[in-house]
Amino acid sequence: QQQVKQSPQSLIVQKGGISIINCAYENTAFDYFPWYQQFPGKGPALLIAIRPDVSEKKEGRFTISFNKSAKQFSLHIMDSQPGDSATYFCAARRRRGNQFYFGTGTSLTVIP
Amino acid sequence: IAGITQAPTSQILAAGRRMTLRCTQDMRHNAMYWYRQDLGLGLRLIHYSNTAGTTGKGEVPDGYSVSRANTDDFPLTLASAVPSQTSVYFCASSDSGVKQFFGPGTRLTVL
Repeated sequence: QQQVKQSPQSLIVQKGGISIINCAYENTAFDYFPWYQQFPGKGPALLIAIRPDVSEKKEGRFTISFNKSAKQFSLHIMDSQPGDSATYFCAARRRRGNQFYFGTGTSLTVIP
Repeated sequence: IAGITQAPTSQILAAGRRMTLRCTQDMRHNAMYWYRQDLGLGLRLIHYSNTAGTTGKGEVPDGYSVSRANTDDFPLTLASAVPSQTSVYFCASSDSGVKQFFGPGTRLTVL
């Protein structure tokens, strides 16, 4: 059973547009929600993360929106660039045991 | 060494053979993790260790074992490989148990 559900599976956005990736979870024991970016042939790299006590976090062109009551969070990439083309994973950490659960990934393509 | 190293980079293995994937970090992080990445399934946690001397099972531990004799090394062993273990394996470490750093991965094919 997938603990963190991610959509869409793939996304094509025009350069300059907004990319939006959504994730949902059920386990209320999760206490930390990171997003990772992965380029082909590389390991994932932490992009941005949020804790459930805030509703939004912004770092440059990347913003996480968090809805605790709905158990949903999303990544927004503003002014998307071809260099943002990568696979993005959301994740959630269960504090007890310090275990991370990942979504199934979204392949983002930004076309010039 | 800077960060996390994994070895080998890739490996083709006959079914039934034993294989150990190596992972070493030089950041003195307490927590380490092993994930497998499969298309359409994302990253799934195999085993983890929150400190040297302790290990725990993740989502998909069957067929795999780990040990954590010291802070820096966290090897993953497949005792008798099966084709369903064909995957890309990533090792990760974490300082505060929050921010994870991933290695470059090992691509394993079991025939």
